[in-house]
Amino acid sequence: ETGVTQTPRHLVMGMTNKKSLKCEQHLGHNAMYWYKQSAKKPLELMFVYSLEERVENNSVPSRFSPECPNSSHLFLHLHTLQPEDSALYLCASSQVHGSPLHFGNGTRLTVT
Amino acid sequence: GNSVTQMEGPVTLSEEAFLTINCTYTATGYPSLFWYVQYPGEGLQLLLKATKADDKGSNKGFEATYRKETTSFHLEKGSVQVSDSAVYFCALSTWGDSGGYQKVTFGTGTKLQVIP
Repeated sequence: ETGVTQTPRHLVMGMTNKKSLKCEQHLGHNAMYWYKQSAKKPLELMFVYSLEERVENNSVPSRFSPECPNSSHLFLHLHTLQPEDSALYLCASSQVHGSPLHFGNGTRLTVT
Repeated sequence: GNSVTQMEGPVTLSEEAFLTINCTYTATGYPSLFWYVQYPGEGLQLLLKATKADDKGSNKGFEATYRKETTSFHLEKGSVQVSDSAVYFCALSTWGDSGGYQKVTFGTGTKLQVIP
């Protein structure tokens, strides 16, 4: 039990589909993050929400759209993705500076 | 900007061998330093951390010391086990630009394989 739950664990979608990734944390944390993990690359920070407000958006294409309806839930809405978007998408949460990130087990996304 | 450099893998060791994975960093200010571990099919888990110079983080036999003078945070373990096979990530964190969250920079990860 990691405290951060991501669903689904695996997702295969066509380039014209629309799907959403879900992340839920019950750790009482006030910041939530989306990371992209691709083979042989460092983890790429995509979005950060602090107190439900988006505070960082790292030049992510608009085909990725985050949503944070409350401090416990984070979504990543996907549409018209490209094959190069295939990766492991990791959600994380944290409290204050100096405390570690808590990660979910990720969603393995394959775009066909 | 901040950056983390760690040795490329894969690293293959025999059981009970000594492990060192090198990590150096570049950062403004006074970052916190972390080692995370990722087992197959899972997300990253915190292994250990250090929040100021000369702190030593330790967990499950792993150790790393925050060396400000050499900007390093090398991971060591005296005797590895097969169950230690995983990918290890060095990371640093600072305050986000607008505060209230961590800006974490990760290294590329080092895959460790321990053979019986």
